[in-house]
Amino acid sequence: EVQLVESGGGLVQPGGSLRLSCAASGFTLSSYWMHWVRQAPGKGLVWVSRINHDGTTYYADSVKGRFTISRDNAKNTLYLHMNSLTADDTAVYYCAREYYEIWDWGQGTLVTVSS
Amino acid sequence: EIVLTQSPGTLSLSPGERATLSCRASQSVNSRYLAWYQQKPGQPPRLLIYGASSRATGIPDRFSGSGSGTDFTLTIARLEPEDFAVYYCHQYGSSPPVTFGGGTKVEIK
Repeated sequence: EVQLVESGGGLVQPGGSLRLSCAASGFTLSSYWMHWVRQAPGKGLVWVSRINHDGTTYYADSVKGRFTISRDNAKNTLYLHMNSLTADDTAVYYCAREYYEIWDWGQGTLVTVSS
Repeated sequence: EIVLTQSPGTLSLSPGERATLSCRASQSVNSRYLAWYQQKPGQPPRLLIYGASSRATGIPDRFSGSGSGTDFTLTIARLEPEDFAVYYCHQYGSSPPVTFGGGTKVEIK
C-alpha cells in the first residue's frame, strides 16, 4: 500500500527556515515524479515544487530561490527545505506522488509563519 | 501557465439533486492530465476523476467527468449527504507549473 507521511511543520518566525519531510512506503520514491502542494488556511491548492525521477527540479515562481526540493533515496524520503519564510508561506503542505495520471497524497503538515 | 477557472464558486443544492461543476482552462489541456478532487475540512484532497473521465478506485458511479480542450465538467448525478464538500479541478503533465482551479463549494440548500 502506498503511504506518504509528512512531518516537520510547526511555528516559525518570519525570515526563518524549516525542513519538511515526506516518508514514503509501499514504493520506491526515486522512481516517480514527486510534488509538494500547499494550501493556505481557507484557500485553494497551490503547487509548490516537483522533483523528477532523474533529479530535475521545478519550482513555483513564488518560492523559487527560497525553497529546495530534494530526496534521500536510502531513507525513501522527500524533503522541502524552506528559507526566508514569510506569512504568505503559512499553509498545510502536502507531498504527492505522480504515477501516470494518478496522484497519491499525504495527510499534510501545517506550517505557520508568525512572530 | 494554464489558468483553471471553476464555476460556480458555490453551488447550493439539496440531497438527491444533480450537481454540475465547470472547469475552464485558459488554453487547451491534454485530457489525460485533467483530474477532479473532493476535499472536506481537515482532510487531504481525494481523487475522484483522472484523465478527464476515468473514475478513481472506489469512487461511486454517481460521479462522472467529461470534456476536452478547454472545457471540463464534473457531474454528481444524485447528491448524497457525504458529497457536500469543495471540489477542485487540476491539470498537470510534463510542463510545470501544475495548476488547480479555485474550487467549487457544494453546500446543502
